[in-house]
Amino acid sequence: DAGVTQSPTHLIKTRGQQVTLRCSPKSGHDTVSWYQQALGQGPQFIFQYYEEEERQRGNFPDRFSGHQFPNYSSELNVNALLLGDSALYLCASSFSSTQYFGPGTRLTVL
Amino acid sequence: ELKVEQNPLFLSMQEGKNYTIYCNYSTTSDRLYWYRQDPGKSLESLFVLLSNGAVKQEGRLMASLDTKARLSTLHITAAVHDLSATYFCAVDYSGAGSYQLTFGKGTKLSVIP
Repeated sequence: DAGVTQSPTHLIKTRGQQVTLRCSPKSGHDTVSWYQQALGQGPQFIFQYYEEEERQRGNFPDRFSGHQFPNYSSELNVNALLLGDSALYLCASSFSSTQYFGPGTRLTVL
Repeated sequence: ELKVEQNPLFLSMQEGKNYTIYCNYSTTSDRLYWYRQDPGKSLESLFVLLSNGAVKQEGRLMASLDTKARLSTLHITAAVHDLSATYFCAVDYSGAGSYQLTFGKGTKLSVIP
């Protein structure tokens, strides 16, 4: 059983550009959450999708948006990139009591 | 403001020694998680604690939860080098099963031979 997968692994963008990150949850998991982890910090909750709707949102600006598809996979879009958006972006899928994290996408904004 | 505080943030310990990492949180919750993260890697789930008094053990690690004190501990017994990593606690504040986790800053553990 494949775990949570994310693509791409690494990404380099310049300020002002837009980026799309992708996530496939573990088989059977219908809830996907996205987190941003800056270097040396704990992950911060961005938002969560369930049944193709944004169910919860953390303290992130509208530049951060997302989508969930009928097969439960999800995308995270970030517009008008800032230097401060450089981070590891983690996707997590949930079932029962546990949240499983993917390997992450390392985004560097120059 | 929701807060999850871990201490210590850095811990250097010798192999064979015991130590405890503390996780305090600011608002009532009965769902607490511990994760391990190796450098450049993702988060590995260690424990899920779902009720007051819950205690779970895996190998040299044992986690406990006191919801009245809003405190969880991660106890390390007879540390070995392979335990070197950053350990995070996280609290689910938004209701049972919401999976909206608030993380602490992490405790970077270095086990010295």
